[in-house]
Amino acid sequence: NAGVTQTPKFRVLKTGQSMTLLCAQDMNHEYMYWYRQDPGMGLRLIHYSVGEGTTAKGEVPDGYNVSRLKKQNFLLGLESAAPSQTSVYFCASIHSGGSTRRISSYEQYFGPGTRLTVT
Amino acid sequence: QKEVEQDPGPLSVPEGAIVSLNCTYSNSAFQYFMWYRQYSRKGPELLMYTYSSGNKEDGRFTAQVDKSSKYISLFIRDSQPSDSATYLCAMRTSGTYKYIFGTGTRLKVLA
Repeated sequence: NAGVTQTPKFRVLKTGQSMTLLCAQDMNHEYMYWYRQDPGMGLRLIHYSVGEGTTAKGEVPDGYNVSRLKKQNFLLGLESAAPSQTSVYFCASIHSGGSTRRISSYEQYFGPGTRLTVT
Repeated sequence: QKEVEQDPGPLSVPEGAIVSLNCTYSNSAFQYFMWYRQYSRKGPELLMYTYSSGNKEDGRFTAQVDKSSKYISLFIRDSQPSDSATYLCAMRTSGTYKYIFGTGTRLKVLA
């Protein structure tokens, strides 16, 4: 059980290049999220998905697109990278069902992050 | 004004001290409150989760929510150097799964 994994771990892009970040989870979770984390800004939600084939905008969606073709994968795309998109990107997932666990079944599990630099 | 405000620190305390971390928020519709711990160059991990007002205790950690003041706190008793990390608060309203995070407070516990 790998949990939430992110590919790649690091990437350097030139302005205008495109790339796709992959998030995969093996916990059969319904909801998946993409966040970016910048110094002094905390975690900000880019896009999220409440199920296979559905996506919705978060707080800072401009310049990003997403797709959820398979339940276990959530892709984040940058069509034309800009220096303002230099950040650490985190993916997260949650299970939406009921639970008797000590911690709510809505606990977000985070991936290890992708460090992206756009020059 | 941000929906969730959190002092970024850094906060340095001696080993064994009681640590108090806080967040304030402006949206009275927030019902679910969480505290995450994030070690350097790692993803956040959930520490505590509280629904509505009240206290919740788990080992050395206590989470408090005061909805009338729009204020939440995380207390760490007998702090250890291994508690050195960034602590993020997060919250959401009922019926939505969009989480709003604070900026995080960096804590350093000195041995």
